[in-house]
Amino acid sequence: ETGVTQTPRHLVMGMTNKKSLKCEQHLGHNAMYWYKQSAKKPLELMFVYSLEERVENNSVPSRFSPECPNSSHLFLHLHTLQPEDSALYLCASSLTVPNEKLFFGSGTQLSVL
Amino acid sequence: DQQVKQNSPSLSVQEGRISILNCDYTNSMFDYFLWYKKYPAEGPTFLISISSIKDKNEDGRFTVFLNKSAKHLSLHIVPSQPGDSAVYFCAASSGGSNYKLTFGKGTLLTVNP
Repeated sequence: ETGVTQTPRHLVMGMTNKKSLKCEQHLGHNAMYWYKQSAKKPLELMFVYSLEERVENNSVPSRFSPECPNSSHLFLHLHTLQPEDSALYLCASSLTVPNEKLFFGSGTQLSVL
Repeated sequence: DQQVKQNSPSLSVQEGRISILNCDYTNSMFDYFLWYKKYPAEGPTFLISISSIKDKNEDGRFTVFLNKSAKHLSLHIVPSQPGDSAVYFCAASSGGSNYKLTFGKGTLLTVNP
């Protein structure tokens, strides 16, 4: 399998649930990112990891907890989310950081009830 | 305040004609600009980029023009094909160690056969 794969594609969760989003890249890249796209808003950067080290936390609430166990895998752990957190969550990778050329996964469409 | 603006949410053109997608920015520190294309149910994919030291970059049917004095860039697609129908995002960065890409909200291009 090639590229950046994200699972699940769709997720519905209650505000008290705990869930995790998974991202895997098969490109040999050293940097991975989480982006959020809310309805009618631009893509917003959430987190950046370079060689498993978090290098950016873009003022994201603590109910979102990223984890990068190695340069190929990235997780976003979710707990006690709010309905306004419903959005498309996109994972991306790049060869290096900084690098504007990003390779995105297909995203996880999250609905918080 | 949005630093990258795509003021046209949608654009419809006939197959074979030129498509022109526009993007305006406000941050004079931006020095690298990109266009990404997104099909439904897929992640954005990198299309073309331009550095602020250039005013034009061409790649096949796609050309990006940069007007620094007007803080404006545009993407020209000639000739347009039905497979070009997608959402196009403009993005900008200020280079250096800045990891952040600032995205516009996107323009939905529909190319009619």
